[in-house]
Amino acid sequence: KAGVTQTPRYLIKTRGQQVTLSCSPISGHRSVSWYQQTPGQGLQFLFEYFSETQRNKGNFPGRFSGRQFSNSRSEMNVSTLELGDSALYLCASSLTGPAGYTFGSGTRLTVV
Amino acid sequence: QKEVEQNSGPLSVPEGAIASLNCTYSDRGSQSFFWYRQYSGKSPELIMSIYSNGDKEDGRFTAQLNKASQYVSLLIRDSQPSDSATYLCAVTGPEGASKIIFGSGTRLSIRP
Repeated sequence: KAGVTQTPRYLIKTRGQQVTLSCSPISGHRSVSWYQQTPGQGLQFLFEYFSETQRNKGNFPGRFSGRQFSNSRSEMNVSTLELGDSALYLCASSLTGPAGYTFGSGTRLTVV
Repeated sequence: QKEVEQNSGPLSVPEGAIASLNCTYSDRGSQSFFWYRQYSGKSPELIMSIYSNGDKEDGRFTAQLNKASQYVSLLIRDSQPSDSATYLCAVTGPEGASKIIFGSGTRLSIRP
């Protein structure tokens, strides 16, 4: 069975631009969470979606947003990119909630 | 105070010995507890989940939970070089089960 697929794997963007990252969960999984991972801060929770509804949100500025589609695929968007947004962005999915999350390979975003 | 605390390590353990990893959390209302393993350059993978006080064993891994002390641990018996990785403790947050908070991880090194 296919795992969690994140695209693209790598991105280089310029400060001030915006970016959209995509996540396709495991078939049948309805919960999708997004995390930012940096060496200094570790894994930081961004948001969680279930059946197209955002159920929880982390402490990130409004430049970070997300959505989930009816097929459970999810996107996250970062507007007005800053150098500090450079990180590995991980998506994780599960059937109903955080229990037993499976992570994707991540998108490595570099802001220059 | 961080919500989930772990000693960053590195923790060096001889091959064949027991590795003991510890984690404390701040929210008494947390209900679900997880251990993830992350190899360098890879995504986290779930290795154990525990929901009630006591021990839970799965192969060479044993998770221990003490809610009164707000303490979770992971024991790895007969440690192998392939166990060398960063181990992340994760806990459902105060906002409920739709948010998992991760510790910063303990780097474990198994020496031959």
